[in-house]
Amino acid sequence: SQTIHQWPATLVQPVGSPLSLECTVEGTSNPNLYWYRQAAGRGLQLLFYSVGIGQISSEVPQNLSASRPQDRQFILSSKKLLLSDSGFYLCAWSATAPVVTEAFFGQGTRLTVV
Amino acid sequence: GEDVEQSLFLSVREGDSSVINCTYTDSSSTYLYWYKQEPGAGLQLLTYIFSNMDMKQDQRLTVLLNKKDKHLSLRIADTQTGDSAIYFCAESPRSSYKLIFGSGTRLLVRP
Repeated sequence: SQTIHQWPATLVQPVGSPLSLECTVEGTSNPNLYWYRQAAGRGLQLLFYSVGIGQISSEVPQNLSASRPQDRQFILSSKKLLLSDSGFYLCAWSATAPVVTEAFFGQGTRLTVV
Repeated sequence: GEDVEQSLFLSVREGDSSVINCTYTDSSSTYLYWYKQEPGAGLQLLTYIFSNMDMKQDQRLTVLLNKKDKHLSLRIADTQTGDSAIYFCAESPRSSYKLIFGSGTRLLVRP
């Protein structure tokens, strides 16, 4: 069966520090991968998605970047965190298909920038 | 463009029906989805509807789709306290692998 792992679960980082959040998927090949952010009291904002190794699409210009060094690994990074980067970050995957039928989410990382 | 909108909050009494509404903009979406988020957790797919359907029923859940108005609704019959969560509407525009979510509706079920 397929599983998705996302870590860490919580993170407190000072302003200006770097960030690296990792997400890995097991039990499937060539998944579509997604990073979302959920800010307090707001909806789910798509940050990045990837349909293959090294292929990253950015939805919102901001202080973050994403990389996909391996087929089932998706990394969210920042060189210098801002206070506004605080939020709940969710990784998700879906099967590669002409149409997205279902996305499976990790448990999320709660990031607090202080 | 792609945009999905929902009302932010709904409060119902236990045993009543809940209706959560959503409007979307991309008429090319093949599927439309409802996801549920428990506190502090990721999202889980509740149900989805194919764009050529008007209605889908799955136990206590009924999804209605009005393609002309680009309006989607989720009805939960006999709402229970365990249904309290945030419900997200989502669309997946054709020719794209993106999954676009609404702002989420927080459902509070009062005993």
